[in-house]
Amino acid sequence: KQEVTQIPAALSVPEGENLVLNCSFTDSAIYNLQWFRQDPGKGLTSLLLIQSSQREQTSGRLNASLDKSSGRSTLYIAASQPGDSATYLCAVPPNAGGTSYGKLTFGQGTILTVHP
Amino acid sequence: EAQVTQNPRYLITVTGKKLTVTCSQNMNHEYMSWYRQDPGLGLRQIYYSMNVEVTDKGDVPEGYKVSRKEKRNFPLILESPSPNQTSLYFCASSISGRETQYFGPGTRLLVL
Repeated sequence: KQEVTQIPAALSVPEGENLVLNCSFTDSAIYNLQWFRQDPGKGLTSLLLIQSSQREQTSGRLNASLDKSSGRSTLYIAASQPGDSATYLCAVPPNAGGTSYGKLTFGQGTILTVHP
Repeated sequence: EAQVTQNPRYLITVTGKKLTVTCSQNMNHEYMSWYRQDPGLGLRQIYYSMNVEVTDKGDVPEGYKVSRKEKRNFPLILESPSPNQTSLYFCASSISGRETQYFGPGTRLLVL
C-alpha cells in the first residue's frame, strides 16, 4: 500500500526566502506525482504535475523535482511571498491494475507561513 | 472559466436526514471522484466514476451513494447521515483519471 510522507509538517519563513518542501513515497513505481496548494476554507489548487518520465517541472517561482528511485519529490519555492502561505500537499496515484488509477494518496501536508 | 462546483458549501443537518451534495464540472472530464478530508487522516477517496453510468468504491464508501447519469454531474448522497460523516468533502475531476485532477471548493458538513 502506497504511503506518502511530507516533511516538515510546518514551516515558517521570512518573506524573500527560498524554501524546499519534501515529499516521500513508499512505492516508487508511480506514473506521476501532483503538488497541490490548499488555502484555509478553500479547495485544492493544482500547482504542478510531474510525470514519471520527468525529472523536473516548473511553473513560475515553483519547481518540482522527482526522483523515483529514491521515492522522493521536492517542491522548491523561490523568493517566497506572504501570499504563498498555505498548506502544500503532494499526492500520487496507485501503481495498480484495474480502474483505481485515479485514486490519489495524499501526504499530510506542509503548513507554510511566510511572514513579512 | 474551467471549474468544479459544489453545492452547498456549508451544511448542518441532523442524524438520519437524507442529503445530497452536488458536484458539477464544465471541462468535459470523464473521471470524477469524491474525497473526504479529516484531521489526522488526510484526504481519502469515497467513490469514483470513470464515465457515465460507471461508478466504483474508493477507500471509505460506507454510508455514501453516488450516481453518474450525466458526464458533468456527480452527486454524493448520504441516505442516513451519522455524526462520523461530519467532514470536509471535495469533488474532483480529470480527463481520464491519469492527468491533473481539479478539485472543487469543498463542502463542510456537520451532522448533529
